[in-house]
Amino acid sequence: GQQLNQSPQSMFIQEGEDVSMNCTSSSIFNTWLWYKQEPGEGPVLLIALYKAGELTSNGRLTAQFGITRKDSFLNISASIPSDVGIYFCAGFGAGSYQLTFGKGTKLSVIP
Amino acid sequence: NAGVMQNPRHLVRRRGQEARLRCSPMKGHSHVYWYRQLPEEGLKFMVYLQKENIIDESGMPKERFSAEFPKEGPSILRIQQVVRGDSAAYFCASSPPVTPGGQYFGPGTRLTVL
Repeated sequence: GQQLNQSPQSMFIQEGEDVSMNCTSSSIFNTWLWYKQEPGEGPVLLIALYKAGELTSNGRLTAQFGITRKDSFLNISASIPSDVGIYFCAGFGAGSYQLTFGKGTKLSVIP
Repeated sequence: NAGVMQNPRHLVRRRGQEARLRCSPMKGHSHVYWYRQLPEEGLKFMVYLQKENIIDESGMPKERFSAEFPKEGPSILRIQQVVRGDSAAYFCASSPPVTPGGQYFGPGTRLTVL
């Protein structure tokens, strides 16, 4: 089956620093999604990417759909304490309705 | 504009009992998906439904698990004769008729089997 490798697994950063995390796949994905999950809650959709090469921003968040369609990255600029949580990449393969999730990047922000 | 609603939020069952998890999609969304999440893991797809139809149940165990999305009312994920290994967080997501697209998740039901 399809697998997503997400890195890093965890990050500890100072408030105000920029953050970068990425996801790679062994197969082509047609859609990439980035979610944030906080303890005891469901994942919240942050950014959706539908075309290879697409670069999309949502406030301090920027995500890109890789040209090869096998990778995506998420950047968070000027991190703040409320950015703490687990960030998941997810994607759809060709003709699939099943979202495949990475294992998540756990972000901790030190004030 | 209510989001995806799930209930109960927490469910405790003894081995052998039945668990029923409910999901009401966002207004205007006709597609429902169920996922399971184990601790420290990402979500794993279980089943995809539209009103009165199961579209893809390839991620659901063949035995004891079933799902429905009736014409009226919420989607139901049913687990019969629960075992300890069924303990997990179960999330429902919904999407509008144009697919594939972003799926919006509910808060989840945390099932604990004693």
